[in-house]
Amino acid sequence: EPEVTQTPSHQVTQMGQEVILRCVPISNHLYFYWYRQILGQKVEFLVSFYNNEISEKSEIFDDQFSVERPDGSNFTLKIRSTKLEDSAMYFCASSPGTSFNNEQFFGPGTRLTVL
Amino acid sequence: AQTVTQSQPEMSVQEAETVTLSCTYDTSENNYYLFWYKQPPSRQMILVIRQEAYKQQNATENRFSVNFQKAAKSFSLKISDSQLGDTAMYFCAFRGGTYKYIFGTGTRLKVLA
Repeated sequence: EPEVTQTPSHQVTQMGQEVILRCVPISNHLYFYWYRQILGQKVEFLVSFYNNEISEKSEIFDDQFSVERPDGSNFTLKIRSTKLEDSAMYFCASSPGTSFNNEQFFGPGTRLTVL
Repeated sequence: AQTVTQSQPEMSVQEAETVTLSCTYDTSENNYYLFWYKQPPSRQMILVIRQEAYKQQNATENRFSVNFQKAAKSFSLKISDSQLGDTAMYFCAFRGGTYKYIFGTGTRLKVLA
């Protein structure tokens, strides 16, 4: 069964460094999402992406964040200058469409630790 | 703004017993979807069950069923005949008129042998 994959599973970085988190959505899916979960807190929406542009973003998704679908298969989240509070689990998700009954399929997550 | 609340951070249940996980939400929308996702340790979230708000009938998927009370904005998950493989974090999620999910904080369920 097709799955969303994410790499790396764990990323450790120094504050101020740039990180790129990678996701490979399910191949025939059209909509892509990033969520994050700070330890002990709820899973929060960051951004949704369709047709090579951002559909919606939360207030968390500020100028330090960007997303890209560089090659038709990968979907990346870049954090330009990481802060300590960016430490979290980042989940990628994809869905075939936005019909009300379309579920989102989640990847296993990337744990980002900012030192 | 929509909110989702899961008031039980942790629960445990004996194997073969039944357990109910609670979820309440707040929204002014009339048409929406509610979901329960399961996240086993170190693995991705997978969909357990979904409920369409305009359907009065409660959704069921094998041993999993929901009690959807629209007026009370309540959406609980019942797991019957609990199995060791049900041990996981369970997230309740709301999806309204936008694409995004709004999640609760999760309930960690442990099934005891």
